[in-house]
Amino acid sequence: AQSVTQPDIHITVSEGASLELRCNYSYGATPYLFWYVQSPGQGLQLLLKYFSGDTLVQGIKGFEAEFKRSQSSFNLRKPSVHWSDAAEYFCAVGARPNQAGTALIFGKGTTLSVSS
Amino acid sequence: EAGVTQFPSHSVIEKGQTVTLRCDPISGHDNLYWYRRVMGKEIKFLLHFVKESKQDESGMPNNRFLAERTGGTYSTLKVQPAELEDSGVYFCASSLRSGEGRETQYFGPGTRLLVL
Repeated sequence: AQSVTQPDIHITVSEGASLELRCNYSYGATPYLFWYVQSPGQGLQLLLKYFSGDTLVQGIKGFEAEFKRSQSSFNLRKPSVHWSDAAEYFCAVGARPNQAGTALIFGKGTTLSVSS
Repeated sequence: EAGVTQFPSHSVIEKGQTVTLRCDPISGHDNLYWYRRVMGKEIKFLLHFVKESKQDESGMPNNRFLAERTGGTYSTLKVQPAELEDSGVYFCASSLRSGEGRETQYFGPGTRLLVL
């Protein structure tokens, strides 16, 4: 069965430091992969997505992610974290795609705290 | 362009009562999804509408949950009767119809349901 694992429940990073959030997936075919962010009181916002092609994907807010098939990973990175990046981050895989769309399977999320 | 809206933002009800959640998708989006996050767990898929038709309802937990999308616009999710384990955050998402599931789902802020 398809699944997504985010090993880190909570991470604290100093402002200006680099960030890497881990995501591992289990999926039989070529996965469609997503990273979403949820700030307090807000809905989930798409940071970036991977469907095919270049395995390094650029997203909004200075985030990037790299798809590594051999490791079944899709880790999210940012070179310099800002205090406004404090939020909860979700990795997701598109499961059971059909002609119209696809259900998403989410990891449990990683809460990012940023210290000054 | 207005985003996905959900109403109410919060709902507190007693066990055995009925609650109806509403989602207004982005105009023109054929796909509409419902997801739920129970405290401490991952966000889980409930069902997927394409216009007014249920494309995939494999995630619906039981027959106490009834989702409708009359006219292919807004959707309602009714829980009747509500149980304690139904507490959580209910998210709605919408997207344009896209072949093979290559879509971006736009999420609403969620409805926080507490069943006492």
